[in-house]
Amino acid sequence: EDQVTQSPEALRLQEGESSSLNCSYTVSGLRGLFWYRQDPGKGPEFLFTLYSAGEEKEKERLKATLTKKESFLHITAPKPEDSATYLCAVRGVQGAQKLVFGQGTRLTINP
Amino acid sequence: DTEVTQTPKHLVMGMTNKKSLKCEQHMGHRAMYWYKQKAKKPPELMFVYSYEKLSINESVPSRFSPECPNSSLLNLHLHALQPEDSALYLCASSQDRLAIQETQYFGPGTRLLVL
Repeated sequence: EDQVTQSPEALRLQEGESSSLNCSYTVSGLRGLFWYRQDPGKGPEFLFTLYSAGEEKEKERLKATLTKKESFLHITAPKPEDSATYLCAVRGVQGAQKLVFGQGTRLTINP
Repeated sequence: DTEVTQTPKHLVMGMTNKKSLKCEQHMGHRAMYWYKQKAKKPPELMFVYSYEKLSINESVPSRFSPECPNSSLLNLHLHALQPEDSALYLCASSQDRLAIQETQYFGPGTRLLVL
């Protein structure tokens, strides 16, 4: 069974304090690992898709990386507007029709 | 453009009411999804439509009835809901649910409160 575990559950940082969020996964043949950002009461906003180990993608202050067992979302010099819940999800070969989500990391950036 | 729209934004209904949630996308996607999300939890898949045909029903109670009138529209008909059905209902779409590489794009959601 495909599984995703995100850590930490919650993270509080000062503005400008860089850090990383972790997404550990077990999947029967990875067909994609997805990062989403979700603001309270709103739908998840797509950030990145990663397909193979060693792949990296960047967008503004965010950088996502992928290994065979985990993915990291690095946040460089965050701003208060980066505060949100960050969701990680995977698609595997056997469960190709479904996304399996982690529980999310609630990130708070204090000014 | 990766926009999925949902209406209404908010809905309050009694347990005897019948209401519908609507979702629309104009990205040419052929797979559309309904998710339910409770507070501080990840989205839970309810239904998947592929090429306007229901392909996945995650054992959802019959008081939720999905409909896909065409490739751009997805409805969720609600009847005789329970208070525990109160949640954020999310619609998503993707190019093709069986594509080797694909991404699901989510709408803003409908906040449902059942009294």
